Amino acid sequence: DAKTTQPPSMDCAEGRAANLPCNHSTISGNEYVYWYRQIHSQGPQYIIHGLKNNETNEMASLIITEDRKSSTLILPHATLRDTAVYYCIVRAYTGNQFYFGTGTSLTVIP
Amino acid sequence: AAGVIQSPRHLIKEKRETATLKCYPIPRHDTVYWYQQGPGQDPQFLISFYEKMQSDKGSIPDRFSAQQFSDYHSELNMSSLELGDSALYFCASSLEKGMAFFGQGTRLTVV
Repeated sequence: DAKTTQPPSMDCAEGRAANLPCNHSTISGNEYVYWYRQIHSQGPQYIIHGLKNNETNEMASLIITEDRKSSTLILPHATLRDTAVYYCIVRAYTGNQFYFGTGTSLTVIP
Repeated sequence: AAGVIQSPRHLIKEKRETATLKCYPIPRHDTVYWYQQGPGQDPQFLISFYEKMQSDKGSIPDRFSAQQFSDYHSELNMSSLELGDSALYFCASSLEKGMAFFGQGTRLTVV
């Protein structure tokens, strides 16, 4: 599976959009981009995933660049409860594993 | 909606003892994954099962073994426990190759 690179930490003001970047320059054609988050020692929580088109659900939006080498997770109106470590994972649809990288620790500030 | 159930939630064992962690996947999910997360670390993939057969293997020590049973629940068996095995152990399940949903984990403390 392709390796991902994320900034180690970010801050975001409450109510503002949080934009979390992820680089996955070695991604291959059959690999999806998944985003999970982990709130202090709880089980990782699925957020969203995509292949090449932008995706949106009730939690977030996922923007994938045209060359698929990077993506951005957008939390449109961050709340204090969004403070967590966010993981960007690239996984082939045929794979039976998710490899977590180092993630981005997002702190939402009141 | 039913989630992934892990038991026990907390477990304290002494060095050289054995431990068994259990995972009950979401109904109709056919794939189970196990992860280990040490203090201040990111989750590390251990092993996965698809339709009761081992599918992928990560950094699982030889002292650990796992299996998936006919009812799709899975057990992670850990023998000759070491202090360094103290960690959160997460189980996740998915339907075929879809997104994985994680349980709340088992916190294992080895003393």
